[in-house]
Amino acid sequence: DAMVIQNPRYQVTQFGKPVTLSCSQTLNHNVMYWYQQKSSQAPKLLFHYYDKDFNNEADTPDNFQSRRPNTSFCFLDIRSPGLGDAAMYLCASREDAKNIQYFGAGTRLSVL
Amino acid sequence: AQSVTQLGSHVSVSEGALVLLRCNYSSSVPPYLFWYVQYPNQGLQLLLKYTTGATLVKGINGFEAEFKKSETSFHLTKPSAHMSDAAEYFCAVSGPTGSYQLTFGKGTKLSVIP
Repeated sequence: DAMVIQNPRYQVTQFGKPVTLSCSQTLNHNVMYWYQQKSSQAPKLLFHYYDKDFNNEADTPDNFQSRRPNTSFCFLDIRSPGLGDAAMYLCASREDAKNIQYFGAGTRLSVL
Repeated sequence: AQSVTQLGSHVSVSEGALVLLRCNYSSSVPPYLFWYVQYPNQGLQLLLKYTTGATLVKGINGFEAEFKKSETSFHLTKPSAHMSDAAEYFCAVSGPTGSYQLTFGKGTKLSVIP
């Protein structure tokens, strides 16, 4: 059974058109992460939530925002996607005090 | 600061041959070490992890890895490659406390030749 679910699996957007990617987890984990993975590269952490506390990586562009309305759901908003934002976006969750991240299947974003 | 170096962006082995994927890390604190596997257009699946204790760690699908502090290495092995092992493999490190943020290596793509 899927534990970290990302929707949609594939997303196509236009240059400059806002897009939202969603992630939900059924594990009741209090920590959630968003990663960006470009082709043939390692996943790069964008930000994470510890409960409702938002932690932004220093080099995450302002164009990327996130919302976590409740424990189960987390959203990634890209306000004005550029061609360089085309990538796989991975969501992960972790139980507090346990050092294992569980990943979703990812959303592949294309920007036309 | 932590970092991970995976030697070889692409490794090819014959079916039934030994798989060896190399990972070296740098960490100023006792590391937690992980290997993840990623199949095409899929997320990351945890293969195995080292936290403390026994340095030889067994994971899923017949993989294992050995933590060698003196060599700052955590190489992944499997005695006999199967076609289904073809995927990309990522080594990652985190600290023992705090936010447990993962720092990934650049990945090694494993091809298995029939």
